Amino acid sequence: EIVLTQSPGTLSLSPGEGATLSCRASQSVSSTFLAWYQQKPGQAPRLLIYGASSRATGIPDRFSGTGSGTDFTLTISRLEPEDFAVYYCQQSGSPVTFGQGTKVEI
Amino acid sequence: QVQLVESGGGVVQPGRSLRLSCRDSGFIFSNYAVHWVRQTPGKGLEWVAVISYDGISHYYADSVRGRFITSRDNSKNTVFLQMNSLTTDDTAVYYCARDAYCSGPTCYEEANPSYFYAMDVWGQGTTVTVSS
Repeated sequence: EIVLTQSPGTLSLSPGEGATLSCRASQSVSSTFLAWYQQKPGQAPRLLIYGASSRATGIPDRFSGTGSGTDFTLTISRLEPEDFAVYYCQQSGSPVTFGQGTKVEI
Repeated sequence: QVQLVESGGGVVQPGRSLRLSCRDSGFIFSNYAVHWVRQTPGKGLEWVAVISYDGISHYYADSVRGRFITSRDNSKNTVFLQMNSLTTDDTAVYYCARDAYCSGPTCYEEANPSYFYAMDVWGQGTTVTVSS
């Protein structure tokens, strides 16, 4: 099983600042299989990024994903108030696994 | 509008069973695999199971294999998660989510079939509480 480790656990930032979230895999993951999700309290996760770097439909371009192999990054260029949430990375191997999440808080 | 709706959650005693349902609307359901993902209170996301578009293949997390069974009835646009021998560790919000890769026989009929590896449509979740 591929273990995904996200860091930091919590990011404390202000609106307008940039955020950099890390996802490290215990073994190499094809970029095709790496996705990022956003989850707000009481809501289901929402797909942000698939294929490590492709934005899902309707996702603003301040969200970007990069990385390959075992190291992947989600960058939010300028935080909007609605971006404060928990972010998860996920890989679609067998079995599917999620990272433990990074909380972006004000 | 593409959406999934779960139902069937509730409070159940340890050792008992519960069946969750996930019904779709707005897309050709039978072209997509469907995942089950759960989230314990205050914790992260845990993948539980996946069923192929035709129901022939299904895979499970180690934590539920042998106790949970997923199935589907494409004529009713519904996927099920039968949960047996429940324990307190199964207490969670359960989500169904569409696998974004269009793998069924009629993808060509869809207006915007997707072909990537992720979960692109999620239900709102249904809460399962296992407690005596």
